[in-house]
Amino acid sequence: DSGVTQTPKHLITATGQRVTLRCSPRSGDLSVYWYQQSLDQGLQFLIQYYNGEERAKGNILERFSAQQFPDLHSELNLSSLELGDSALYFCASSTHPGLAGGGEQFFGPGTRLTVL
Amino acid sequence: GENVEQHPSTLSVQEGDSAVIKCTYSDSASNYFPWYKQELGKGPQLIIDIRSNVGEKKDQRIAVTLNKTAKHFSLHITETQPEDSAVYFCAASNGQGGSEKLVFGKGTKLTVNP
Repeated sequence: DSGVTQTPKHLITATGQRVTLRCSPRSGDLSVYWYQQSLDQGLQFLIQYYNGEERAKGNILERFSAQQFPDLHSELNLSSLELGDSALYFCASSTHPGLAGGGEQFFGPGTRLTVL
Repeated sequence: GENVEQHPSTLSVQEGDSAVIKCTYSDSASNYFPWYKQELGKGPQLIIDIRSNVGEKKDQRIAVTLNKTAKHFSLHITETQPEDSAVYFCAASNGQGGSEKLVFGKGTKLTVNP
């Protein structure tokens, strides 16, 4: 158990809908990263938040957004869903914000999104 | 941006044999290289990592080597056991912009046959 929790575990929805995925980082971790895992694209970085502020952005679609709340949990919002958005969505947390030397990222169990 | 290539995509070994997985990266500024193990239905689990100021790191049966000149790093698992069967991912990060966002390889499915 990494200490990172994600809910829900599974999510089935229809095209055009909007969903919210939730992540609680390990106790004491200030950074939350979101990744998407699909068969064709592999594991891809979406976005990072550090202590409530956006720190880095990857190839995240404009239909997707995220935020980190004062209690440090994070939510990933996916809207106008398409079939191709079906994937596993992971969040990871780390202590260090990316200073020289880096910080280990610990992954949650993921949310499996199925868009029908 | 960074690109990480991982080989082989599948690897089958007999229990007790060694397994080696290799990765190359393109961004010479990358300075952090973790390895993750992912079992079916679970999230990636960090098993070992190495930073650019170190050439080799070992933790019991697993070791990682880094060649910065050639821009490649490898995972070595000795005395493999059936429970080592999983998908292994290498990753790289350059820490730029204060972010340790990871760029992952495509993964290697390791099967250890009893």
